[in-house]
Amino acid sequence: AQRVTQPEKLLSVFKGAPVELKCNYSYSGSPELFWYVQYSRQRLQLLLRHISRESIKGFTADLNKGETSFHLKKPFAQEEDSAMYYCALRGYTGFQKLVFGTGTRLLVSP
Amino acid sequence: DGGITQSPKYLFRKEGQNVTLSCEQNLNHDAMYWYRQDPGQGLRLIYYSQIVNDFQKGDIAEGYSVSREKKESFPLTVTSAQKNPTAFYLCASSRGGTGELFFGEGSRLTVL
Repeated sequence: AQRVTQPEKLLSVFKGAPVELKCNYSYSGSPELFWYVQYSRQRLQLLLRHISRESIKGFTADLNKGETSFHLKKPFAQEEDSAMYYCALRGYTGFQKLVFGTGTRLLVSP
Repeated sequence: DGGITQSPKYLFRKEGQNVTLSCEQNLNHDAMYWYRQDPGQGLRLIYYSQIVNDFQKGDIAEGYSVSREKKESFPLTVTSAQKNPTAFYLCASSRGGTGELFFGEGSRLTVL
């Protein structure tokens, strides 16, 4: 069964501090991992995916198959990063539905 | 302006009534989805459709029904059999089975 776990409901940091939003998963095959973000009064949208290996808005995430983790990191948080972040997983084979975690609210204070 | 349009944004329903939420997309995407978003529970998949005239149950399909008669439309009916229908409902679409979903603004249903 596919499962995504985000252990923190709320993460509160000060502007300029490093941020790490945790995501752990369970999946029997090769997963594809994503981070989605929902800013206040905006639609849920894709932030990044592990296969792209890119940095978006200063955020990066590395897939660690040994630890089954896909943590989202940013070295210096900005107030505009405050949002709800969801980790999501799907399998590579054929058509695969996307399974979401419960989400972590990031609050960046000035 | 391309995207996903959900309507209505807010809906009130009395117990025992069915209600249908609309979802329309002009992105020419084959796949469409309905998720339910509850505080502390994240997004849970209700139904999804890979192609026109085909759909599958998600993880919490009980008390819901869908149809996919047109590529651009995927309405969700919340029936009286749904025990806890008050929630925020999100519709999404994707190009085939990719993990990049495009979401609507959502519909908030409140059962009185």
